[in-house]
Amino acid sequence: AQTVTQSQPEMSVQEAETVTLSCTYDTSESDYYLFWYKQPPSRQMILVIRQEAYKQQNATENRFSVNFQKAAKSFSLKISDSQLGDAAMYFCAYRSASTGNQFYFGTGTSLTVIP
Amino acid sequence: DAGVIQSPRHEVTEMGQEVTLRCKPISGHNSLFWYRQTMMRGLELLIYFNNNVPIDDSGMPEDRFSAKMPNASFSTLKIQPSEPRDSAVYFCASSWGRLKKTPQHFGDGTRLSIL
Repeated sequence: AQTVTQSQPEMSVQEAETVTLSCTYDTSESDYYLFWYKQPPSRQMILVIRQEAYKQQNATENRFSVNFQKAAKSFSLKISDSQLGDAAMYFCAYRSASTGNQFYFGTGTSLTVIP
Repeated sequence: DAGVIQSPRHEVTEMGQEVTLRCKPISGHNSLFWYRQTMMRGLELLIYFNNNVPIDDSGMPEDRFSAKMPNASFSTLKIQPSEPRDSAVYFCASSWGRLKKTPQHFGDGTRLSIL
């Protein structure tokens, strides 16, 4: 099974500053999809951003962008101009493009935004 | 559009009682997933279904847990008998299995407390 590792259990950022959350994964596949989910205290799981492995261009969604390094199997999330509402648990997830429908989740990074 | 609907949102019951959690996936999604989230163990996949058929139930902790999907629009997760260590937030999620780039969509979760 694929493994997804988030090595930062907790991170903090000053409001309006930029923060990067790390994610690495282990796979022998060449085609797959990567996702970042946000879980605020309300406990909803909200999709933040998605990256397709066959695309070299890094995905961006407003203040959220990724740094996708396929050879290094790294998929970090950058949050620019951090806002108080960004405080949440962030999960990285992997999905194979070919085998099965399972999603593999990391253990999460808890982000605190300091006013 | 209606998202994934879970019920109940909260459940408090005494040890030994039967607990049934319910999920209605997004219409048209053919993959359904049950997760358990705790502080200690993070987000754990319990079981997932494709086209109403259980594909991988290796995450089901023990025989006290069972899950069914009698049709494409309904699934249940049952715990009988319940124990205090089953206390957690249980999420249901669905996705479109044939289009791999589609993300999982999560319900709001059921917070289960076993006294």
